[in-house]
Parts: sequence; structure tokens; C-alpha cells
Amino acid sequence: KAGVTQTPRYLIKTRGQQVTLSCSPISGHRSVSWYQQTPGQGLQFLFEYFSETQRNKGNFPGRFSGRQFSNSRSEMNVSTLELGDSALYLCASSGGQANTEAFFGQGTRLTVV
Amino acid sequence: GESVGLHLPTLSVQEGDNSIINCAYSNSASDYFIWYKQESGKGPQFIIDIRSNMDKRQGQRVTVLLNKTVKHLSLQIAATQPGDSAVYFCAEPRPGIFNKFYFGSGTKLNVKP
Repeated sequence: KAGVTQTPRYLIKTRGQQVTLSCSPISGHRSVSWYQQTPGQGLQFLFEYFSETQRNKGNFPGRFSGRQFSNSRSEMNVSTLELGDSALYLCASSGGQANTEAFFGQGTRLTVV
Repeated sequence: GESVGLHLPTLSVQEGDNSIINCAYSNSASDYFIWYKQESGKGPQFIIDIRSNMDKRQGQRVTVLLNKTVKHLSLQIAATQPGDSAVYFCAEPRPGIFNKFYFGSGTKLNVKP
């Protein structure tokens, strides 16, 4: 069974640009969550999608958005990039509606210059 | 400017010894917990989980103990190996909010050969 796949693995962008990151969950999983990981703040929850609907959202500005497709693949978008957006962005895949095991991808390392 | 990282507690153990990593959680209503292992440059890897109706759960070389009275969680690793060197996180979801996990700051485990 394939794990969670995130693309791209590494990305370098300039301030003011926008970026789209992609996550393919484990086959059959319908919940996809996104997290930002930085040395200063640790792992912070961005949002979670289930069956194409955003169910939960963390405390991030509106520049951070996401969506989920009918095949459960998810994308997150960050517009008007700032230097502080440099981080490891992680996607987690879960199977059920209730809290259950969440499996992470390898992440996308975003560097904003 | 200089970035300030999270101060990660560090546990150093000798190869072959047992390791105990601790985690305090905040919400007495939390009913599910996960331990993750994160190696440098990789996403968090699911190790073991436990639900609040259990006090103990065992996996391969790992045991998680849950003490609901003092809101404390521990991960015990038997016969620690160099490959166990990583940062370990405990995660708890917010009750009633599916798949929105809050992560502790992590403990860095160093295994000395």
C-alpha cells in the first residue's frame, strides 16, 4: 500500500509569489490534514479536509488556503509569500471520520527568499 | 536576525538500554493519543497510538502508558538502537474536532553506540 505522497519535495520561491503544494493520501483515506513545521513554532495545524469539505481550520491568515478533490487528493496554496512562510509543510492522511491513525508524508520544504 | 528554535528536551541513552520519553497533555477530555518519530529531513512516522479507555498498549519494542489522573503519557522503547535516534512527539486531537492534532514540542533521543 503506497504511503502519503507530497510533491514537490523542495521549492524555492520569491517573496510575493504564490505556491501550490500537492498531497496524495493513502488509498481509501478520505481525510487530509495540513501542518506547518518550523524550528520556532513546531508543528502547527493549518486545515483539514474530508470528502472535499474543509472541516477544521487553524489560526493562519487567509493567504493559506486549500482544497480537496473527489479522489481525496489535496492541494494547499499560499499567496503573497513572506519570508516567514519558509517551513516544512506536511500532509497527514487518515481513514475515518473519527480520530484515528494519521500518517504523514515526507513534506515539502518551502524556502522563501 | 538569529532564529530562535524550540528548546527540545534531549534524552541520551546507551545502545541497548531502555528509553522512556514523557509527555504531558493539557485536556482531560482528550480520548486519543499518538506517538510519532521524526528523523532529520523526514516527515513524522506513526509509532503507536492509545485510546483513553486503555492504560497501556504494546507494540514492537515500544510501549505507551497513559495516566489519565495526572494527564501524562510515556513512550518506552526497549533495547534502544542507533536507528531510534530521532525527535519523538506526542499528539492529541481536540475532542469533538476530528483529525485536528496538537503536537508537543518533542523530545530528541540520542542513542550512543
